[in-house]
Amino acid sequence: GAVVSQHPSWVICKSGTSVKIECRSLDFQATTMFWYRQFPKQSLMLMATSNEGSKATYEQGVEKDKFLINHASLTLSTLTVTSAHPEDSSFYICSARKQGAGANVLTFGAGSRLTVL
Amino acid sequence: AQKVTQAQTEISVVEKEDVTLDCVYETRDTTYYLFWYKQPPSGELVFLIRRNSFDEQNEISGRYSWNFQKSTSSFNFTITASQVVDSAVYFCALSEVGDNFNKFYFGSGTKLNVKP
Repeated sequence: GAVVSQHPSWVICKSGTSVKIECRSLDFQATTMFWYRQFPKQSLMLMATSNEGSKATYEQGVEKDKFLINHASLTLSTLTVTSAHPEDSSFYICSARKQGAGANVLTFGAGSRLTVL
Repeated sequence: AQKVTQAQTEISVVEKEDVTLDCVYETRDTTYYLFWYKQPPSGELVFLIRRNSFDEQNEISGRYSWNFQKSTSSFNFTITASQVVDSAVYFCALSEVGDNFNKFYFGSGTKLNVKP
């Protein structure tokens, strides 16, 4: 089956620091990965679409310079929260689409919980 | 406009009761996909079902069943004889083809509490 791994699963950092979250497809190649954000007791909101070898496409309202996305290989996408502040505390979930798979065959990672003090 | 509406914020039932989680969607596409995911307290999303817009056949998988009705734009999820382990937040999602290729629209989720 398709497995997506996220690391770290949880992180606590001080305000002003940057945090990198990795999303890896373990047993398949993913041309496209997606980053979601989920506030407590709320739904998942798509932040950006990450395409291997090209710039990410951000959803309206998402700051590109704040949330840096890099998809350097077919198995890895990273989300860096730059100069994190308490309001960035959230649950971040990535998903990946297997190369060649149908449009809607997405596998989700287990999520990364960020707490900014 | 909200593309996926889950009107039930939270539902509490006693074990062995049946429970139905409602999902209403909105799209102009003729080809689309509907999903249900389970999110336990640990946070990971567990895929339950995917249904394309051309397949209105209801589906049953063990204690789970889904009722897809295009006429009312609904894709409801029923758990029969609920168990404590069913306690989680359940999300309904819509994926459109075309310009929004691969973009998932999630509902706000329904938190299900199954009490022993």
